[in-house]
Amino acid sequence: AQRVTQPEKLLSVFKGAPVELKCNYSYSGSPELFWYVQYSRQRLQLLLRHISRESIKGFTADLNKGETSFHLKKPFAQEEDSAMYYCALRWWNNNDMRFGAGTRLTVKP
Amino acid sequence: KAGVTQTPRYLIKTRGQQVTLSCSPISGHRSVSWYQQTPGQGLQFLFEYFSETQRNKGNFPGRFSGRQFSNSRSEMNVSTLELGDSALYLCASSGGQGAIMDTGELFFGEGSRLTVL
Repeated sequence: AQRVTQPEKLLSVFKGAPVELKCNYSYSGSPELFWYVQYSRQRLQLLLRHISRESIKGFTADLNKGETSFHLKKPFAQEEDSAMYYCALRWWNNNDMRFGAGTRLTVKP
Repeated sequence: KAGVTQTPRYLIKTRGQQVTLSCSPISGHRSVSWYQQTPGQGLQFLFEYFSETQRNKGNFPGRFSGRQFSNSRSEMNVSTLELGDSALYLCASSGGQGAIMDTGELFFGEGSRLTVL
């Protein structure tokens, strides 16, 4: 069964510091990995997809199939990055999307 | 384009009752997924409907059921409510055509917050 693990429930960094939110998955096929974000009083929304290989709001994530990880990184955290972050996985060509438990990121001034 | 709409936004029920939640997807989206969100468990997948058929199902008991109508609107029902069913129930829509045509992005509603007393 596919499983997504986010080992940190809470993560706190200072503004300007690098941040890395960890995500590991267990799946034997070809997964699609995503990061979703939920800002305070807003809907859950897509942040980025591994297949796009893009940087969104300064965040990047690289799929490491050897380590089965998809960590989210940003070199210089901003206060507006404070939010709940969810890593998600789905089978290729399937709409069964599974989420990790989430990491609450707090960026302190 | 209107977003995903969920009703009701808040509701309070007592144990043993049943509840029906509604979700209207983004126009043109044919896939609707339901999730249960709790502080300790994060987002737990309930089921996904596509073209009125349940295509995927999570590990929830049979008390949790759903359906999708021809206009892609979806409902989920929880019977014989238990205290542990208190949660935010999120609905998400997407194109659902598969990876080639579908980016995989889920568009979420604001949720229906269910409290079971």
